[in-house]
Amino acid sequence: QVQLVQSGSELKKPGASVKVSCKASGYTFTSYGLNWVRQAPGQGLEWMGWINTKTGNPTYAQGFTGRFVFSLDTSVSTAYLQITSLEAEDTALYYCARGKQWHDYWGQGTLVTVSS
Amino acid sequence: DIVMTQSPDSLAVSLGERATINCKSSQSVLYGSNNNNYFAWYQQKPGQPPKLLIYWASIRESGVPDRFSGSGSGTDFTLTISSLQAEDVAVYYCHQYYSTPHTFGQGTKLEIK
Repeated sequence: QVQLVQSGSELKKPGASVKVSCKASGYTFTSYGLNWVRQAPGQGLEWMGWINTKTGNPTYAQGFTGRFVFSLDTSVSTAYLQITSLEAEDTALYYCARGKQWHDYWGQGTLVTVSS
Repeated sequence: DIVMTQSPDSLAVSLGERATINCKSSQSVLYGSNNNNYFAWYQQKPGQPPKLLIYWASIRESGVPDRFSGSGSGTDFTLTISSLQAEDVAVYYCHQYYSTPHTFGQGTKLEIK
């Protein structure tokens, strides 16, 4: 069965970096694009962008350029989201979700908390 | 960017009654060359990731109960739950994938009256 399993919660200080992983199983990893979606506490869903798992080419939404980097390791069917220079406003649940169009499978979410 | 606006923000419906959630996009998400609306609905229960309910505006995802249906075209869409069950309590989001950046509606919280 298709699964996206994300890495565990992170507590970071302002200015630090974090790398969230999303490991796919149950399907051919390079057959589907992989999206990243942010959900701030008590808020709605915000699409951060997606990465083409065939080519590794990322597309970032405005507001997620510069400090946010999408990457892949296709040898282990895993996508990564790295956030640098963390700010308190980056505190959120981060989801990976499969599919270039609709998102049919989602990871369980990774809570990133930024606090001094 | 395409702005997705849902109405209402919250909704309370009695068990067994119909629930209707609307979503309006700031521009059409109907792609003329294939006549598909690039539009989906998701359900999110507390502490869980979103779950895909509907894609192409009206195609029910496998395993989704048939009391859920999607309709609409162009800029105006509706999610209907024909007979509300207790397990349908959740926040519902619409989503356009017509253009990047993809965008979601603000969410509609559905509760039992």
